[in-house]
Amino acid sequence: DVKVTQSSRYLVKRTGEKVFLECVQDMDHENMFWYRQDPGLGLRLIYFSYDVKMKEKGDIPEGYSVSREKKERFSLILESASTNQTSMYLCASSKDRGINYEQYFGPGTRLTVT
Amino acid sequence: GNSVTQMEGPVTLSEEAFLTINCTYTATGYPSLFWYVQYPGEGLQLLLKATKADDKGSNKGFEATYRKETTSFHLEKGSVQVSDSAVYFCALKNAGNQFYFGTGTSLTVIP
Repeated sequence: DVKVTQSSRYLVKRTGEKVFLECVQDMDHENMFWYRQDPGLGLRLIYFSYDVKMKEKGDIPEGYSVSREKKERFSLILESASTNQTSMYLCASSKDRGINYEQYFGPGTRLTVT
Repeated sequence: GNSVTQMEGPVTLSEEAFLTINCTYTATGYPSLFWYVQYPGEGLQLLLKATKADDKGSNKGFEATYRKETTSFHLEKGSVQVSDSAVYFCALKNAGNQFYFGTGTSLTVIP
């Protein structure tokens, strides 16, 4: 079974802190994604990556950056956390770009910025 | 453009009732279609998928048929259980490897 793990289930940070959210997948997937999930808005894509050291902006990249130094690991960075970044963050991976390949999700990190 | 529209929730049903959650999509080209389920406190799990017109995806008693003529992918289950209480997301994936998710429909099944 594909497994996508995220470093924390719950995280509380203060405004202005630098925050790292880590995601690791164990199935040698090419593609990795970061979403945030908010009530009434569904999932919104923040960043994605098709390969090591590659990154692409999603729909809402402002205030975030990412890092993919190894194929299995995709990190989301909040350079200076703000209260409007309080949300559920979901990491996902997929095998490759083929249209038939679904995404596999991690359990999510619920981040609260105070 | 590409988008997914799901019926508004929340939906509350009694155990053993019939479930339909409507999903329609707009897409360029011929997307693949997916239903994901999110149980409380967890990430999304793939429930079923269909990759071409008239395909039927099925899993755990849930079914959905890819209807190109009506651009729909409605989720159905004949007899829901309390354990089916969750949020359900319809999604499409287009040829450009982009995923588009609906806003989710919350289902509560009461004994």
